[in-house]
Amino acid sequence: GQNIDQPTEMTATEGAIVQINCTYQTSGFNGLFWYQQHAGEAPTFLSYNVLDGLEEKGRFSSFLSRSKGYSYLLLKELQMKDSASYLCAVRDPARGGNNRKLIWGLGTSLAVNP
Amino acid sequence: NAGVMQNPRHLVRRRGQEARLRCSPMKGHSHVYWYRQLPEEGLKFMVYLQKENIIDESGMPKERFSAEFPKEGPSILRIQQVVRGDSAAYFCASYGTAPSEAFFGQGTRLTVV
Repeated sequence: GQNIDQPTEMTATEGAIVQINCTYQTSGFNGLFWYQQHAGEAPTFLSYNVLDGLEEKGRFSSFLSRSKGYSYLLLKELQMKDSASYLCAVRDPARGGNNRKLIWGLGTSLAVNP
Repeated sequence: NAGVMQNPRHLVRRRGQEARLRCSPMKGHSHVYWYRQLPEEGLKFMVYLQKENIIDESGMPKERFSAEFPKEGPSILRIQQVVRGDSAAYFCASYGTAPSEAFFGQGTRLTVV
């Protein structure tokens, strides 16, 4: 089966750095995504990794190791507005082609304190 | 540049009634995905549609749920004879030509009373 694991909750301090981990077990792999979701809002795209390594985008970076089935999202210079749920999702490899169905983790609720 | 539009944002139905949720993808997008998010649970894939075609409905419950994406107009997710367990946030997402990014609508929060 397909399984995606990430911590349920994390707490960090404004201005600090936080790393949110995600591990996945899937029969294949076709890309890993990170989304941010504020309470009552839609998920918004943060990053996409399909090859091993680090992708940096401003204060947010995402890392992928396909051999380990592991990814992390790194948030730097934390701000209060970064308090949200961070969702790890893997593109379903079983469908292939144009199917971009995503399998989602349960999300990590990040609380940024002053 | 309108994004993915979902309506209504909030929908209250009594048990046994029908719920119709609408999703208009971004301009130029012809692929729509519906996801359900239950309280304290993650997003779950329901169905993938292209114009006039259901491509993958492996996540749809076998009964009471149906979806369509007609040639003209929005995609519709229909839930017949709703039950309390159907209370959830329903999101749709559309894709353009980029291989990665899905654009999500604001969701419809269905409450069954």
